[in-house]
Amino acid sequence: AQKITQTQPGMFVQEKEAVTLDCTYDTSDPSYGLFWYKQPSSGEMIFLIYQGSYDQQNATEGRYSLNFQKARKSANLVISASQLGDSAMYFCAMREGPEQGGSEKLVFGKGTKLTVNP
Amino acid sequence: AAGVIQSPRHLIKEKRETATLKCYPIPRHDTVYWYQQGPGQDPQFLISFYEKMQSDKGSIPDRFSAQQFSDYHSELNMSSLELGDSALYFCASSLSVGRGRTGELFFGEGSRLTVL
Repeated sequence: AQKITQTQPGMFVQEKEAVTLDCTYDTSDPSYGLFWYKQPSSGEMIFLIYQGSYDQQNATEGRYSLNFQKARKSANLVISASQLGDSAMYFCAMREGPEQGGSEKLVFGKGTKLTVNP
Repeated sequence: AAGVIQSPRHLIKEKRETATLKCYPIPRHDTVYWYQQGPGQDPQFLISFYEKMQSDKGSIPDRFSAQQFSDYHSELNMSSLELGDSALYFCASSLSVGRGRTGELFFGEGSRLTVL
């Protein structure tokens, strides 16, 4: 079963507007972490934001915020004031389990391709 | 700040040949991960090393092997290459979760392997 689901293969947004990229996850583990990564066409994976399962507040990093709804098992990424440079693939990922050295791999969703229009 | 270094950045091989990818993690990071990302796909976990010992294994073909050396650099060896092995191979490193750390993976820029 897919652990991370990103239902939007592609999204379009006008420059300077906000956009929400959806992510739902599936886990029975009470301790987990959720991540968003950006992958531009050049290929590198850029970390954007992190939300821990026990965090009480939604994570924010500059123009990025994470709308964490634990009961719904969703962790949507909100990008405010979109810029042309935000055009990229965006991957939601999850780390399951308690802290164990070396068993903290991330499982990725299929990604959402965001295009920012001028 | 030092990042994860991968080499080579691009590699072209023929079918049935062998390829070796190298990864130098961020200093003091204790875990190294290898991921494979096919065209238009999400990254798939291959294998990880914690303090130079293999710690977890994913969908890594038997034709592939990896190790981490005493200086913490890691190598992914791929033999009997197939067309389907053409992909972007990422190495990532991290500090184990704990003491407030998130376990964020820091990725290298990737090694793009093309098998002809």
